[in-house]
Amino acid sequence: EDQVTQSPEALRLQEGESSSLNCSYTVSGLRGLFWYRQDPGKGPEFLFTLYSAGEEKEKERLKATLTKKESFLHITAPKPEDSATYLCAVQALGTDKLIFGTGTRLQVFP
Amino acid sequence: DTGVSQDPRHKITKRGQNVTFRCDPISEHNRLYWYRQTLGQGPEFLTYFQNEAQLEKSRLLSDRFSAERPKGSFSTLEIQRTEQGDSAMYLCASSLISGRAYEQYFGPGTRLTVT
Repeated sequence: EDQVTQSPEALRLQEGESSSLNCSYTVSGLRGLFWYRQDPGKGPEFLFTLYSAGEEKEKERLKATLTKKESFLHITAPKPEDSATYLCAVQALGTDKLIFGTGTRLQVFP
Repeated sequence: DTGVSQDPRHKITKRGQNVTFRCDPISEHNRLYWYRQTLGQGPEFLTYFQNEAQLEKSRLLSDRFSAERPKGSFSTLEIQRTEQGDSAMYLCASSLISGRAYEQYFGPGTRLTVT
């Protein structure tokens, strides 16, 4: 069964304190792995797609990496506005549906 | 910038009533998806369309749920005989078939509360 597990469930950081979020996955055949950001009461906002092991993508203070079993979202020198829930999802070959993890709730304090 | 829009944003209904939600995708997108999200969980897939054809439906979707996408434009999701367990955020997303994987862009959601 295709599955996504995210850790930690919650993370509190001081402004400027870099850290990483983990997304472990099992999927029959990976078409893509997606990272989304979700603010309270809003829909998920697309961040990155990763297709194959070894791939990396960057956007501002965020960098996503992919291996055959997991993905990391690295946050460098975070700011309070980076506070949100970060969701990881996989898409298997032969289907469009996204299978999401439960997310990591990030809080960045000034 | 016209993203995915959903209407209504909030709906409170009594148990046993029927409700209908509407989703308008990004105009050039040909695929449309429905997900449901409960507190503390990630979105859970319900169904998706390519143009007007419903291509996949979750096995978890009960017979009380039905979705349509007439003429391949907007979509509606209807829940009949609502139950308290239907209380959730209903999310719509759309995508354009291109490249290797189809990024899905989400709307703001419809928050359903069943009393």
